[in-house]
Amino acid sequence: NAGVTQTPKFHILKIGQSMTLQCTQDMNHNYMYWYRQDPGMGLKLIYYSVGAGITDKGEVPNGYNVSRSTTEDFPLRLELAAPSQTSVYFCASTTGDHEQYFGPGTRLTVT
Amino acid sequence: QKEVEQDPGPLSVPEGAIVSLNCTYSNSAFQYFMWYRQYSRKGPELLMYTYSSGNKEDGRFTAQVDKSSKYISLFIRDSQPSDSATYLCAMSVRGGIIQGAQKLVFGQGTRLTINP
Repeated sequence: NAGVTQTPKFHILKIGQSMTLQCTQDMNHNYMYWYRQDPGMGLKLIYYSVGAGITDKGEVPNGYNVSRSTTEDFPLRLELAAPSQTSVYFCASTTGDHEQYFGPGTRLTVT
Repeated sequence: QKEVEQDPGPLSVPEGAIVSLNCTYSNSAFQYFMWYRQYSRKGPELLMYTYSSGNKEDGRFTAQVDKSSKYISLFIRDSQPSDSATYLCAMSVRGGIIQGAQKLVFGQGTRLTINP
């Protein structure tokens, strides 16, 4: 199993542009999550989902959108990127218990 | 007041030392208490978790929870250079519109360096 994979690994985005961060898991997990981690800080939950079609906001959802059309994929959309969205983004998945499996992260810079 | 407080360090100790990492929290609804380890430029990985007050041991690692004081700790015995990483405490709470989903609230993370 590849586990949780994220693409791209790095990206530089101009202010006002949009992009989609990709996340895929091959563990047949129902629950998937998106977090952001700012330098020297813990992770903050952006959005999460259970199964296809069901999503909910986390602690910091503003400026982001998600959709989940399959069990495997949970893309994160950034619209009208702002410098405040410069961060490392982590995707995670779980069967629903306490252990979340994290991807390697996407380092995003908005300039 | 943040829901979860963790001293960011950095913490630097010699190899073989006992390391103590701590977090405090304010939300009584937290159910699971976890420690994640994060190596540089990697995603976090679960190290230990516990549900109730008391101690849980796994090899050189001991997780301690005191719900009455809202305080959790991670002890590392006989620390090794390979233990050098950022340690994040995390606590889970159920809620929101998605039934059964555990939402994690993380501490700031403590950067630990074990010197050979």
